[in-house]
Amino acid sequence: LAKTTQPISMDSYEGQEVNITCSHNNIATNDYITWYQQFPSQGPRFIIQGYKTKVTNEVASLFIPADRKSSTLSLPRVSLSDTAVYYCLVALNSGYSTLTFGKGTMLLVSP
Amino acid sequence: NAGVTQTPKFQVLKTGQSMTLQCAQDMNHNSMYWYRQDPGMGLRLIYYSASEGTTDKGEVPNGYNVSRLNKREFSLRLESAAPSQTSVYFCASREEGGQPQHFGDGTRLSIL
Repeated sequence: LAKTTQPISMDSYEGQEVNITCSHNNIATNDYITWYQQFPSQGPRFIIQGYKTKVTNEVASLFIPADRKSSTLSLPRVSLSDTAVYYCLVALNSGYSTLTFGKGTMLLVSP
Repeated sequence: NAGVTQTPKFQVLKTGQSMTLQCAQDMNHNSMYWYRQDPGMGLRLIYYSASEGTTDKGEVPNGYNVSRLNKREFSLRLESAAPSQTSVYFCASREEGGQPQHFGDGTRLSIL
């Protein structure tokens, strides 16, 4: 399984754009990149998933360069409610494939 | 639409006691998973079930057993609880074909 590295913590202010970068140097050809968000006392919640280039949904954007050795989760105009832990995962995107969670990035958004 | 439901939400056990954590999903998903999360750590996979009738070990299976009772339900059993098993336990389910895992809100288990 590809190992991921992401910052332990990040600080931001309301209204700013936040970019969290994850490195995954050993990503395999069939692996997808998935980001989850976790609030205290809750289970992780899926945010976005991609294979290459750029993916955008109503919550975030995911930028993946051509070599796929890293990816960047972009949260536009964060609010206090975006304070959470964000996990970057790399895994096969088929069948019952399992996920390996690292420690994630603790994002703290201040007023 | 409840998604993934875990019971109980909280439990305190004494060392040596047994306990079964229940998980049920109403999304008709084939695969189900049990994770544990310790303070300041990411989630670690205990067991998973690719489909009804099959189970496999994950990263940290020692001290646990699982049962895939039917397509909806996947239970986790601690036969003889130890303080090292104090943790938050999350159940998840997933549809095949590249869909993300859906998580329950966890069972907070303390073993004294």
